[in-house]
Amino acid sequence: DQQVKQNSPSLSVQEGRISILNCDYTNSMFDYFLWYKKYPAEGPTFLISISSIKDKNEDGRFTVFLNKSAKHLSLHIVPSQPGDSAVYFCAALTRPGNQFYFGTGTSLTVIP
Amino acid sequence: GAVVSQHPSWVICKSGTSVKIECRSLDFQATTMFWYRQFPKQSLMLMATSNEGSKATYEQGVEKDKFLINHASLTLSTLTVTSAHPEDSSFYICSARDSWAGADTQYFGPGTRLTVL
Repeated sequence: DQQVKQNSPSLSVQEGRISILNCDYTNSMFDYFLWYKKYPAEGPTFLISISSIKDKNEDGRFTVFLNKSAKHLSLHIVPSQPGDSAVYFCAALTRPGNQFYFGTGTSLTVIP
Repeated sequence: GAVVSQHPSWVICKSGTSVKIECRSLDFQATTMFWYRQFPKQSLMLMATSNEGSKATYEQGVEKDKFLINHASLTLSTLTVTSAHPEDSSFYICSARDSWAGADTQYFGPGTRLTVL
């Protein structure tokens, strides 16, 4: 049972434009969400997170939006850079629990 | 930032042999570590939660006798794939939770690519 879903397996964006990666979840008990970036044959690296008490969190070029009523979150990257090309995973958890639930990932390609 | 290492980064073994993968938190203590498995083009699947000084908690469908986990210290957890078979070939990733930080702070290792011939 996939509680966190990323319905777009891949996304291509021109350099300088905005990248929007989407994530949907089914468990209303999730109260903390994270985005990770992963290069092939490497472990995920943390990008940005958001608590369920917020609807937006911004860190430089990265902004995460959370719509609790729709059980949807998105990651905006602007401007997109070629170095952003990677697989992006969203993850959710119920604090203070330990278990992260990961989405299936979206492969982002930023075209120079 | 916190660093988690894994060793080896890549291992090839013959079917029927056992392989040990180490996961270390280099600059923090981790009472809890996690082992994930990633299949090609799929998400990270949590295999087990490893707690220092106690038995690991395995997710449903994960054979605990096949995937032996030992968390002997606050900085080291090991995953041993016993009697490996080609279907065990995968990318194994560990993560560690900083004991002094919140439960939402997990740091991931670089992963270990296991190929079973």
